[in-house]
Amino acid sequence: QVQLQESGPGLVKPSQTLSLTCTVSGGSISSGTYYWSWIRQPAGKGLEWIGRIYTSGSTNYNPSLKSRVTISVDTSKNQFSLKLSSVTAADTAVYYCATQDDYFDYWGQGTLVTVSS
Amino acid sequence: QAVLTQPASLSASPGASASLTCTLRSGINVGSYRIYWYQQKPGSPPQYLLRYKSDSDKQQGSGVPSRFSGSKDASANAGILLISGLQSEDEADYYCMIWHSSAWVFGGGTKLTVL
Repeated sequence: QVQLQESGPGLVKPSQTLSLTCTVSGGSISSGTYYWSWIRQPAGKGLEWIGRIYTSGSTNYNPSLKSRVTISVDTSKNQFSLKLSSVTAADTAVYYCATQDDYFDYWGQGTLVTVSS
Repeated sequence: QAVLTQPASLSASPGASASLTCTLRSGINVGSYRIYWYQQKPGSPPQYLLRYKSDSDKQQGSGVPSRFSGSKDASANAGILLISGLQSEDEADYYCMIWHSSAWVFGGGTKLTVL
């Protein structure tokens, strides 16, 4: 069974770049027809899809975040990553990585990232 | 106006049925979309429940009880998640989702209280 684990700094200063990594175990990130996504959720609020990368390396991003987001994949480490630039307090949230064939079937447990000086 | 609108909260009694709606923005035709539903309990990531486009295009998540079902109300331009025989364990947040304009879009979520 595929398992995902987010990792990265829990505190980021305003205007800096948020960087997170999702490590995949129990399966190869380069096999199959999966998309690999990042989704976030501010405390007490709803879910927001950030973007995704396919095994081929092609990406789709949320239009509202597109100018600040980069998602990449490292098949040698079985990981994919998120970079979100020019962060503000509004980017404070639990960040999830998830995998999707048709629906989001496997999720990480989420990691809280706080943007504060 | 948001792409997907869900009522913020809904209460229902154990054993009763609950109908959770997901209304698509005017100009976006519900008939054209697969609507996905997720359940989220505090401190946990969301879990997939089911997707519904039509009676011939629907899927139940693995292990999801049949008392969870999907449908649409074309007149209201809305997707519906029906939960029958409510149990205390169904108390959770529920999110709908569609693929729209090359992006996944979530509704704001409905907090279902079973009391």
